[in-house]
Amino acid sequence: EVQLVESGGGLVQPGGSLRLSCAASGFTFSSYSMNWVRQAPGKGLEWVSYISSSSGIIHYADSVKGRFTISRDNAKNSLYLQMNSLRDEDTAVYYCARVIVGATTYGYFDYWGQGTLVTVSS
Amino acid sequence: EIVMTQSPATLSVSPGERATLSCRASQSVSSNLAWYQQKPGQAPRLLIYGASTRATGIPARFSGSGSGTEFTLTISSLQSEDFAVYYCQQYNNWPPAWTFGQGTKVEIK
Repeated sequence: EVQLVESGGGLVQPGGSLRLSCAASGFTFSSYSMNWVRQAPGKGLEWVSYISSSSGIIHYADSVKGRFTISRDNAKNSLYLQMNSLRDEDTAVYYCARVIVGATTYGYFDYWGQGTLVTVSS
Repeated sequence: EIVMTQSPATLSVSPGERATLSCRASQSVSSNLAWYQQKPGQAPRLLIYGASTRATGIPARFSGSGSGTEFTLTISSLQSEDFAVYYCQQYNNWPPAWTFGQGTKVEIK
């Protein structure tokens, strides 16, 4: 059974940093691209960042570019999101999601973790 | 950026009735569209990809159609467990910048 379990969320002051983790199990993690997606309280879904299976291709949403860094450790079956210079508007539940990459597209998200809440507030 | 617009924002339906949800893209996304269901306090769940292919384990009462800029998710006979928020998502961009619609809430009438 595919499982994705996020951790590392919490309360942080504006300008602070936080590192999220996503532990994967039930599939060959090193064969899949992964994403982070967030959802502000009561709002819709917003894609945050993408990393390919070998970490060779990385993309960020404009809203987090230069502040967030995605990485992965295939030996540990883990995905990470280092978040720096946090702002109030980064407050959200952060989900990791597995990507099914297509022949000509970056693909859709077939499995999601349960999410971890990040609250940025003074 | 491709903007996805869903309508209506809220759909009130009685159990057993048919629900039709719409999603429009600001430019063509071919058939590179997915639908997700999200219940309160839960993660989104993939329902449909490729505009019309049901994901593993998704009941046949869920169906998707459309291509280009206009898409539809139909739930043929609403069950109690189907009351939720539904999001469409395009994955046609290069470089990737997945965008979601704002969601349609399906509530009990």
